[in-house]
Amino acid sequence: QKEVEQNSGPLSVPEGAIASLNCTYSDRVSQSFFWYRQYSGKSPELIMSIYSNGDKEDGRFTAQLNKASQYVSLLIRDSQPSDSATYLCAVILSGGYNKLIFGAGTRLAVHP
Amino acid sequence: KAGVTQTPRYLIKTRGQQVTLSCSPISGHRSVSWYQQTPGQGLQFLFEYFSETQRNKGNFPGRFSGRQFSNSRSEMNVSTLELGDSALYLCASSPWEGSNEKLFFGSGTQLSVL
Repeated sequence: QKEVEQNSGPLSVPEGAIASLNCTYSDRVSQSFFWYRQYSGKSPELIMSIYSNGDKEDGRFTAQLNKASQYVSLLIRDSQPSDSATYLCAVILSGGYNKLIFGAGTRLAVHP
Repeated sequence: KAGVTQTPRYLIKTRGQQVTLSCSPISGHRSVSWYQQTPGQGLQFLFEYFSETQRNKGNFPGRFSGRQFSNSRSEMNVSTLELGDSALYLCASSPWEGSNEKLFFGSGTQLSVL
């Protein structure tokens, strides 16, 4: 099993809808989780981090962590065409110095 | 504050050659990580350096190597290039001393191996 897995998509949602992106992880990760956004032809940029069970909100973005089920999700409310990008889930591997590992990413397309 | 700077932006090499990529982290950042990104494999971790020491290494062959200098600038080298090494190589720096959780990425070096 890979340390972190995501559905590659594409996930297509209409403008104004809620986009839901999911990520599952293995037992080999620590309890630090991150969402990066990567626009086509650009570098990834951090948009959310979450460390404890439950929800964390930042503007239109909400990160949700469920440790019992080993998944973390990202909700984007009122999706805009400018949110169209690839969203990368990232986790820290346990043991030794922290190593940040990325999932393959989910491509989100928000259509007007 | 200047961001992470990677040079060169594009490189074209032929099989068997070797290549060196350079990365200058954000001023004050001492951790530098390298990733390979391809359409099929996504972002794959290569290695991470902190204070001139390699702290972490990914699952890449020994042809991939790196180093970090006292000013935190880092280089990675790929010897005996193969077609499969064609990828975007991203460098990222982190401000945290004990962890590389929050990464700031450079624009990358697009390597094409012919």
